[in-house]
Amino acid sequence: GAVVSQHPSRVICKSGTSVKIECRSLDFQATTMFWYRQFPKKSLMLMATSNEGSKATYEQGVEKDKFLINHASLTLSTLTVTSAHPEDSSFYICSARAPDSPGQFFGPGTRLTVL
Amino acid sequence: AQKITQTQPGMFVQEKEAVTLDCTYDTSDQSYGLFWYKQPSSGEMIFLIYQGSYDEQNATEGRYSLNFQKARKSANLVISASQLGDSAMYFCAMREYSGYSTLTFGKGTMLLVSP
Repeated sequence: GAVVSQHPSRVICKSGTSVKIECRSLDFQATTMFWYRQFPKKSLMLMATSNEGSKATYEQGVEKDKFLINHASLTLSTLTVTSAHPEDSSFYICSARAPDSPGQFFGPGTRLTVL
Repeated sequence: AQKITQTQPGMFVQEKEAVTLDCTYDTSDQSYGLFWYKQPSSGEMIFLIYQGSYDEQNATEGRYSLNFQKARKSANLVISASQLGDSAMYFCAMREYSGYSTLTFGKGTMLLVSP
């Protein structure tokens, strides 16, 4: 149980385009999902907390107009990187908190490359 | 101040030997949880083991055990009988249960298991 999927796993796009990444909890309902960014050989950096039916809570320094988060249902959160630039190239990982579980379950990640 | 400190950027161990990955944490909360995750080169974050602050016994999951020393605020991961497939990045994380709680990660330790 507690499986989280993420799509796409890898995306390459041109500078200036927008990219949407989906995060789904497959076998549980997640009222809270999290989006992280990870640079090579670095730790995970929390970008935002996504709450179903309400606005996401962004961490300091994360541009909410650049990284749009939507949590429309209890099993789906999306991260849209708007007008992507090469510096947005990174590994993006989502996670979800399962009911009655102290921890978080992670998706497999999305590797974004902006040319 | 860092909440999770992993002082070992890299560790080497021979197959079948045991290895300890260090983790110290900083919190004033009485209720918190400590987690270890494994991240292989594929990027997915794999949950390994959890220790609650009120758990009196050290957590164990197969070859993984968590050496929890509350007074010293340390939560070291012990991997017994290392296998080649254990080569990965290992992250220690903490969740404080009061207030706005999310996982805070350490910088990670890269473990390399040699034949």
